[in-house]
Order: sequence, then structure tokens, then C-alpha cells
Amino acid sequence: EVQLLESGGGLVQPGGSLRLSCAASGFTFSSYAMSWVRQAPGKGLEWVSTISSGYSTYYTDSVKGRFTISRDNSKNTLYLQMNSLRAEDTAVFYCVKGIGSSAITSPNDCWGQGTLVTVSS
Amino acid sequence: DIQMTQSPSTLSASVGDRVTITCRASQNISSWLAWYQQKPGKAPKLLIYKASSLHSGVPSRFSGSGSGTEYSLTISSLQPDDFATYYCQHYSNSKTFGQGTKLEIK
Repeated sequence: EVQLLESGGGLVQPGGSLRLSCAASGFTFSSYAMSWVRQAPGKGLEWVSTISSGYSTYYTDSVKGRFTISRDNSKNTLYLQMNSLRAEDTAVFYCVKGIGSSAITSPNDCWGQGTLVTVSS
Repeated sequence: DIQMTQSPSTLSASVGDRVTITCRASQNISSWLAWYQQKPGKAPKLLIYKASSLHSGVPSRFSGSGSGTEYSLTISSLQPDDFATYYCQHYSNSKTFGQGTKLEIK
């Protein structure tokens, strides 16, 4: 059974940094594209970033230059380093598995339960 | 960037009804479209990908269709478990969600 367990969320001040982690199990982690998707309280889904199995990375415009997605296949773990955080980054962040290895042609077939990031002074 | 517009934003229906949700892309997305279902406090679930391919384990009352810029999700006979919020998503090097459609009990 595929399991995705996010951690690292919490309360951070504007301008601060946070690193999210996602521990994956139940599948060959290195073979699949992985993504982060967020959802602000009471709002819709917003794609944040994707990394392919070959380490190609993609970001939504609002986080480019501030967030960095990475993966450690030896640890079956996905990361999201978030710097220069803003109030509008407040959201539940979901770790998401792609159907395949490509970051471009893979929709998301499995989702974690999410970790809440709150940016507030 | 490609924009995805869903309609309606809210849909009221009864058990047994046939319902259709529409998603329009701002340009041709060549069927790179997925549909997700989300219930309150839960993570989304994949229903349909590549516009019309049913994801494993998803009931056959769900179907997707469309091409170019116009796509739709149809539930042939609503079940009590289907009342939820539905999102379309274009996936490519950028992945854009629609704003969501809340399916409510009439």
C-alpha cells in the first residue's frame, strides 16, 4: 500500500524558512515523479512544484526563487525547502505521487494527508 | 499560463441524478486533463486522467470526455458517497487546477 507521510509544517514568521519532508513507502520511490500541492484554508487546490524521477524540477510562478523541491531516493523522501515565506503561503501542503516517472505527463494518483504551514507574526 | 475554468461552481442534485461538470482551458491542452474528488478534511482522490481514462478502483458511473479546450466529468447515477468537491487539473510542465465544483445534496 502506498503511504505518503508529510512532516515539518508549523507556524513561521513572515520572511522565515521551513523545510517539509515526505516519507514514502509501498512503491519504488525512485521511479515516480513527485509533487507538492497546497490548499489555503477554505480554498481550492494549487499546484506548487514537481520533480521527475530524473530530477527535472518545475514550479508555479509564485514560488519560483523561494521554494526548492528535492528528493533523496536512498531515503525514499521528498523535500520542499521554503524560504522568504509570506502570509499567502499559509496552506495545507500535500505530498503527491505521480502516475509515472515524467513530471509532465503524470497526474497525481496518491496523496498524503497534508501538513499545515501557517505564516504569521 | 493556461487557465482552467470550471462550471458550475456549485451544483445541487439528488441521489440517482445524472450530473455533468465542465472544465474549459484557455488553450488546447490535448487531453492532458485529470479530475479529482475531495471530501471535507480529506486529501483529493484521482478519478480520471488523460481526459477519459478511469483510474483504478474508481466506479464506472464516473466518466470523462472532451478534447481541445472543453472537457467534462459525468456521474451517471449519483450515489450518497459522491457528494463532494470536484477539481479538474491540466497537467504538463505546469499543472493548473480549476477552481472546483461543490456537488451538494438537493
